[in-house]
Amino acid sequence: NAGVTQTPKFRILKIGQSMTLQCTQDMNHNYMYWYRQDPGMGLKLIYYSVGAGITDKGEVPNGYNVSRSTTEDFPLRLELAAPSQTSVYFCASSLSYNEQFFGPGTRLTVL
Amino acid sequence: GNSVTQMEGPVTLSEEAFLTINCTYTATGYPSLFWYVQYPGEGLQLLLKATKADDKGSNKGFEATYRKETTSFHLEKGSVQVSDSAVYFCALGTNGNKLVFGAGTILRVKS
Repeated sequence: NAGVTQTPKFRILKIGQSMTLQCTQDMNHNYMYWYRQDPGMGLKLIYYSVGAGITDKGEVPNGYNVSRSTTEDFPLRLELAAPSQTSVYFCASSLSYNEQFFGPGTRLTVL
Repeated sequence: GNSVTQMEGPVTLSEEAFLTINCTYTATGYPSLFWYVQYPGEGLQLLLKATKADDKGSNKGFEATYRKETTSFHLEKGSVQVSDSAVYFCALGTNGNKLVFGAGTILRVKS
């Protein structure tokens, strides 16, 4: 099993550009999550999904959108990128609420 | 609301020293508690967990006990190694399969 995979690993965007961060898991997990990690701030939940077709906002959803058309994929869309969205983004999945499995992360810089 | 507070780092120790990283939490209900570890350039990995009061989680020489009376889940290891250098996150899990993370504690172990 590959686990949770994320692409790209690194990306530099200009202000106002848009992009999609890809996340795929091959563990047949129902739950999937997007976090952002800012230095010294821990992880903040952006969006999560409890299954295909169902998504909900987390703690910091503004400026982002998600979709969940399949169990495996949970892309995160940034529209109109802003410098405040410079961060490391992690996708995670879980079968139950006891353990989340994390991808390797995407480091995004908005200039 | 739910929150997690960890001791600030970085924590710098010599090899074979004793490690304690403090974690306290505020939560409604009966959360599960977790320690995650993040090695440089990687995503988070579950280190250990405890699902009810007085449970002790342990893994790779690390351990933590769920203390409801002091709302704490301190991480300990008797003898650290250079390879333990990483960022350690305390987290609590609530209903709805969501985790709340502390800010993380950087551990540096010198040989």
